[in-house]
Amino acid sequence: DSGVTQTPKHLITATGQRVTLRCSPRSGDLSVYWYQQSLDQGLQFLIQYYNGEERAKGNILERFSAQQFPDLHSELNLSSLELGDSALYFCASSVGGLEFLYEQYFGPGTRLTVT
Amino acid sequence: GENVEQHPSTLSVQEGDSAVIKCTYSDSASNYFPWYKQELGKRPQLIIDIRSNVGEKKDQRIAVTLNKTAKHFSLHITETQPEDSAVYFCAATQAGYALNFGKGTSLLVTP
Repeated sequence: DSGVTQTPKHLITATGQRVTLRCSPRSGDLSVYWYQQSLDQGLQFLIQYYNGEERAKGNILERFSAQQFPDLHSELNLSSLELGDSALYFCASSVGGLEFLYEQYFGPGTRLTVT
Repeated sequence: GENVEQHPSTLSVQEGDSAVIKCTYSDSASNYFPWYKQELGKRPQLIIDIRSNVGEKKDQRIAVTLNKTAKHFSLHITETQPEDSAVYFCAATQAGYALNFGKGTSLLVTP
């Protein structure tokens, strides 16, 4: 168990819908990262938050957004869902921002299926 | 941005043999190189990492080497066991930033 929690574990929804994925980082970790894992694209970075502020963006679609709350949990919002959005979505956390303390630990993931 | 290439994509070894997975990276600013093991349907688990000020690191049967000049790093697993079967991902990044992953190596250890 990495200490990172994600809910829900599984999500099945229809095209055009909107969903919210939730992540709670390890105690003490300030940085949260979202990654998408699909069969054809591998593990791809979506977005990073550090202590409530957006720090970096990767290959995140405009239909997707995220935020990190004062208690440091994070939510990833996916809207106007398409079949191609079906994937495993992982959240990872690290202490972040400090020298030598940047190992990232992954949560169990949310498997999203768009039908 | 950073581009990480990983080889081979699949690797089959017999139990007790060694396995080697190789990665190259493009951004000379990258200074942190972790390796993750992922079993089917599970989360990636950090198994070992190396920083750019170190050339080699070992943890029991697992070792990682880094050649900064050539921009490549490798994972070595000795005395492989069936439970080592999984997908292994290398990654490269600058400290505190997102991981840039290779495409993964599916390792199969046969008894």
